[in-house]
Amino acid sequence: DADVTQTPRNRITKTGKRIMLECSQTKGHDRMYWYRQDPGLGLQLIYYSFDVKDINKGEISDGYSVSRQAQAKFSLSLESAIPNQTALYFCATSIGFYEQYFGPGTRLTVT
Amino acid sequence: QKEVEQNSGPLSVPEGAIASLNCTYSDRGSQSFFWYRQYSGKSPELIMFIYSNGDKEDGRFTAQLNKASQYVSLLIRDSQPSDSATYLCAVKENDYKLSFGAGTTVTVRA
Repeated sequence: DADVTQTPRNRITKTGKRIMLECSQTKGHDRMYWYRQDPGLGLQLIYYSFDVKDINKGEISDGYSVSRQAQAKFSLSLESAIPNQTALYFCATSIGFYEQYFGPGTRLTVT
Repeated sequence: QKEVEQNSGPLSVPEGAIASLNCTYSDRGSQSFFWYRQYSGKSPELIMFIYSNGDKEDGRFTAQLNKASQYVSLLIRDSQPSDSATYLCAVKENDYKLSFGAGTTVTVRA
């Protein structure tokens, strides 16, 4: 089984809808991250969490919220989806600040 | 100015040749540097990290770091078609922030 899983893997939704992306990990890592990737822009950090009670905004958090339900679970919500949130979303984990390991990604399309 | 700059490519090399990828960064205080490989539609996969000036070799991959010049590179020796991917340079700027370049796409011609 994969160490970092994301659900759903693909999602098409309409403008204004609320959507949640979920991330689970079995690596036992304390830190979890949400990134989005747009063509030509690299990976941009949305939110990061050092542990269940420590959640922080990244560089592009507007329009997003997160929940760290347990050490192994970190969810990303789009409260009211808009078309420019169409992107590839990745969850990542790490022990402290060492190497980050990425989940398989969620391809989100907002129409 | 972007924090981490990479040549966008695409970089096309013949099979068996050396692929050379470059990355520059703006934060002089950065201490850790990573190279990720990303196949089309897949997630980034860590292939190398380097913390000290000089070269670090791992199989066919060599990372080179020059902190004075704020420059890190990745060499892929004996390039294979399976090396065709986008390579992301990432720079640790502080305790939480990992800044990524936009990536360099490499195509290895058989």
